[in-house]
Amino acid sequence: GENVEQHPSTLSVQEGDSAVIKCTYSDSASNYFPWYKQELGKGPQLIIDIRSNVGEKKDQRIAVTLNKTAKHFSLHITETQPEDSAVYFCAASGDTGGFKTIFGAGTRLFVKA
Amino acid sequence: GAVVSQHPSWVICKSGTSVKIECRSLDFQATTMFWYRQFPKQSLMLMATSNEGSKATYEQGVEKDKFLINHASLTLSTLTVTSAHPEDSSFYICSAKEGTQPQHFGDGTRLSIL
Repeated sequence: GENVEQHPSTLSVQEGDSAVIKCTYSDSASNYFPWYKQELGKGPQLIIDIRSNVGEKKDQRIAVTLNKTAKHFSLHITETQPEDSAVYFCAASGDTGGFKTIFGAGTRLFVKA
Repeated sequence: GAVVSQHPSWVICKSGTSVKIECRSLDFQATTMFWYRQFPKQSLMLMATSNEGSKATYEQGVEKDKFLINHASLTLSTLTVTSAHPEDSSFYICSAKEGTQPQHFGDGTRLSIL
């Protein structure tokens, strides 16, 4: 089955700096890669996603890159702000009905003011 | 759009009682709903997947008689923790998706069994 590894587990950056979180997946049939942000005591919130026919996607300060050959994808947050502090999860899944979404272990991001 | 509402957000009850958690999709039809359990500082652990009108598919190691899931309509799924004990205390999160659209999560239910 699919396995998703996520690094680092903890990331601390200064406000204004960039943050990068990396994930690798094992199942070449996976074709959908969402990223979720989870704040304390809340459920995960979808912040950006990418499908396998695209190599990069950007939404304001957030971007995701995908390398299908190497089976890895990354989240990039630029100009970080204290409110970006949260736990971020990457995930991988397929489009077809029985495909589960497999989550990475999470990255705790601290943005210091 | 794509709002998932989960209730209650927090529940405390005595050991041996049953607890029901509701998960509703407010502005879309949830053809598939998922129930997760999350321990402190850990990732989400999938418990079961349910499609509207069908029996839920449970993950290995999850007791179907302990965690009863009902997905009777396209907007509502419930998880009932039967005869709850302290070891069932956890953060339970539901998510829902329509067809091949992304799944969206509720805000979770913190369950504490005394």
